[in-house]
Amino acid sequence: SAVISQKPSRDICQRGTSLTIQCQVDSQVTMMFWYRQQPGQSLTLIATANQGSEATYESGFVIDKFPISRPNLTFSTLTVSNMSPEDSSIYLCSVDIQGGEQYFGPGTRLTVT
Amino acid sequence: EDQVTQSPEALRLQEGESSSLNCSYTVSGLRGLFWYRQDPGKGPEFLFTLYSAGEEKEKERLKATLTKKESFLHITAPKPEDSATYLCAVRPEISSGSARQLTFGSGTQLTVLP
Repeated sequence: SAVISQKPSRDICQRGTSLTIQCQVDSQVTMMFWYRQQPGQSLTLIATANQGSEATYESGFVIDKFPISRPNLTFSTLTVSNMSPEDSSIYLCSVDIQGGEQYFGPGTRLTVT
Repeated sequence: EDQVTQSPEALRLQEGESSSLNCSYTVSGLRGLFWYRQDPGKGPEFLFTLYSAGEEKEKERLKATLTKKESFLHITAPKPEDSATYLCAVRPEISSGSARQLTFGSGTQLTVLP
């Protein structure tokens, strides 16, 4: 398994500002993922973050809105840019472990006012 | 398009009343089916991975089974602490995006009453 931490755990932000969410893993992993979980909804993949290459974004998500960094094998950041109330969600990072299991961090609860 | 459908959306059980949650899936080819538990305000907690039809896995009061079209999460003699949302996800054999991405169902919210 893997131990994953996220910062901040929650934040309240004003419309038009940006927030950077950090994800730290206790072991080196090749693939990290960022998900969004809107209120009462299931998880939607935003992008896959690979170390040493640009993130791969899913349909409906763009780099200008959700820039991602992956400077090493244990860390990644997701920025939510120019926020609007529709961005209010829980943002989750996850990692892929040998054997195919995917483990999730505790999430960052974002409220945009 | 890969699809995962979970039923029921919500389930209320009395403590000790066994039941099953369903996860139906449509994928081009299955590389794995995953069950997670999610408590309010927390990230999903990994429970099981199933890879082929006929496979079963158990953990305490939970048992997951897999057929070619669906998976069941059986809960035997549940306790109030089993109350949570249970999520099912599939990893398709061929995906247009990340080779390891998961497609999630909408979840079953389980409430076990004392």
